[in-house]
Amino acid sequence: DTEVTQTPKHLVMGMTNKKSLKCEQHMGHRAMYWYKQKAKKPPELMFVYSYEKLSINESVPSRFSPECPNSSLLNLHLHALQPEDSALYLCASSQVEGSYQATSGYTFGSGTRLTVV
Amino acid sequence: GNSVTQMEGPVTLSEEAFLTINCTYTATGYPSLFWYVQYPGEGLQLLLKATKADDKGSNKGFEATYRKETTSFHLEKGSVQVSDSAVYFCALSRPPSGGSYIPTFGRGTSLIVHP
Repeated sequence: DTEVTQTPKHLVMGMTNKKSLKCEQHMGHRAMYWYKQKAKKPPELMFVYSYEKLSINESVPSRFSPECPNSSLLNLHLHALQPEDSALYLCASSQVEGSYQATSGYTFGSGTRLTVV
Repeated sequence: GNSVTQMEGPVTLSEEAFLTINCTYTATGYPSLFWYVQYPGEGLQLLLKATKADDKGSNKGFEATYRKETTSFHLEKGSVQVSDSAVYFCALSRPPSGGSYIPTFGRGTSLIVHP
């Protein structure tokens, strides 16, 4: 299995709702990432998990709450979002490499298209 | 800090034309370099990569050579197809945090290929 699977593909939520995005991979990757992508822009890093521990939080507002329950799953819990949070949310995974350089690249999911109304 | 600069798009070509998308980078140390492609409505896919100077990455007819002397990693294809229409992102890896390498992406270059 060489895929990262994200669900749901589309999500519309109100500003008072609570929802979760899910990401799953079975490639044995121990680094997992959440990215936010606005239209015609590159992905922006939100969170990085390494060996199921949060290693990077790029100053993301607390209305986004990540969770990594095991080495295959990554969740993003959403609460009290704003319309400007509408975007494509991408999950990615990669090997954790102890070498001097990253050589494996990243495997991305197809994303969840989130609309906040 | 690390950064990636890509040519501004969109790049509009006719089918079978030659493609070049320029990418230059600024980085400390010895980054690995990547090209990702994003088709409409999808996530990013790794297209090719190179991990050291003079390495050439290639895939699906696309090529890019890691040029340390010019800090460049230009993407080329000899004959584009309509199905190559997508957004192309150049990226480099920066030093690890907790063992994970973080990519720095360029702005992306949209390619439109007409029949």
